[in-house]
Amino acid sequence: NAGVMQNPRHLVRRRGQEARLRCSPMKGHSHVYWYRQLPEEGLKFMVYLQKENIIDESGMPKERFSAEFPKEGPSILRIQQVVRGDSAAYFCASSPGGLDFNEQFFGPGTRLTVL
Amino acid sequence: SQQGEEDPQALSIQEGENATMNCSYKTSINNLQWYRQNSGRGLVHLILIRSNEREKHSGRLRVTLDTSKKSSSLLITASRAADTASYFCATPPSGSARQLTFGSGTQLTVLP
Repeated sequence: NAGVMQNPRHLVRRRGQEARLRCSPMKGHSHVYWYRQLPEEGLKFMVYLQKENIIDESGMPKERFSAEFPKEGPSILRIQQVVRGDSAAYFCASSPGGLDFNEQFFGPGTRLTVL
Repeated sequence: SQQGEEDPQALSIQEGENATMNCSYKTSINNLQWYRQNSGRGLVHLILIRSNEREKHSGRLRVTLDTSKKSSSLLITASRAADTASYFCATPPSGSARQLTFGSGTQLTVLP
């Protein structure tokens, strides 16, 4: 059973370009979370999605950032018109459904560098 | 503001010694989790302790939880160089919310 997959692992963009980060959850997991980590800091929650639904996007910047988790295919975190401050490591995590809280399984992250 | 805050920010010990890291949080919780992150890598889940538990063991790891003080500690016994990593505590808010709030971490260095 493969773990959480993220691609690309490293992404370099120039200011004003778009960045698309992909996350494939573990098999059987229907919940996906995106986190951002700045250097020397902990992870900050961005958005929580279930299939075709955004459940909580309270950590997402109001502009330029969007996320989706379609019925088929990976979850996508999209950053439009990137700026230098968007440079960070972006981690995706997944968990199974159910009423009890389950541990989250993290992917290896995508390191975004904005030149 | 941070829900979880680890202390100390950095810790350096010799191989074979024990390492203790502390975490404080602000609001009520259902559980508290500890994660490890090796440099430049993703997070690995270490252990989850529920709010009705006081202590939990997993191999060389021992976690305590004091809900009256809103604090937790992670003890790594007989440390190894491979334990060198950043350690984070994380809490989901109480209720139905599922996202985790992470502290800023403790950077542990185990010297051979």
